Amino acid sequence: DGGITQSPKYLFRKEGQNVTLSCEQNLNHDAMYWYRQDPGQGLRLIYYSQIVNDFQKGDIAEGYSVSREKKESFPLTVTSAQKNPTAFYLCASSATSGRGTGELFFGEGSRLTVL
Amino acid sequence: AQTVTQSQPEMSVQEAETVTLSCTYDTSESNYYLFWYKQPPSRQMILVIRQEAYKQQNATENRFSVNFQKAAKSFSLKISDSQLGDTAMYFCAFMGFTGTASKLTFGTGTRLQVTL
Repeated sequence: DGGITQSPKYLFRKEGQNVTLSCEQNLNHDAMYWYRQDPGQGLRLIYYSQIVNDFQKGDIAEGYSVSREKKESFPLTVTSAQKNPTAFYLCASSATSGRGTGELFFGEGSRLTVL
Repeated sequence: AQTVTQSQPEMSVQEAETVTLSCTYDTSESNYYLFWYKQPPSRQMILVIRQEAYKQQNATENRFSVNFQKAAKSFSLKISDSQLGDTAMYFCAFMGFTGTASKLTFGTGTRLQVTL
């Protein structure tokens, strides 16, 4: 079945360590997104990419990095510079960048806990 | 920058009753999309309903309908005949078009509990 796969589902990290969250989609979507979800704050955009080898910062990009070497993959690295990384991370994709239908399809999320 | 406001952090409704969730937004754009997403305890985000700003007719999807008031920048969600499976967080979201970017801005969510 087509969809978005995020891994790992749960991840624990020690302070000072970088960690990479995986996001893979087989929907042939051009655009991909990373959101962070904290209680009481909804979802906030970290990074997004509209085409391969290109990406833009969202509202809370500091302490995060991404790459888009393949259309299907958009990994997110949470670096040691991120001061409060414990959160639920959601990856999403959409069929067209720019003026498309607008609907985002989401993965099941990754819960990162810093010990 | 666009903002989305959901002023009801939590709501409760009895099974089979009707409930309305509120959402307001702020934008200077004339064309955009509005969405309601549902996030059940499984945390999977699911699209409930979508409204295109240039359409005057309110969108409906089975038991879900919206009241879109463009001038007032209001986009409420009505759930009719509520079911236990409707228990979830509901997020209102806005997508504008700045250049070629399509970005979704979310509200803080309303937690809906459907009771027997």
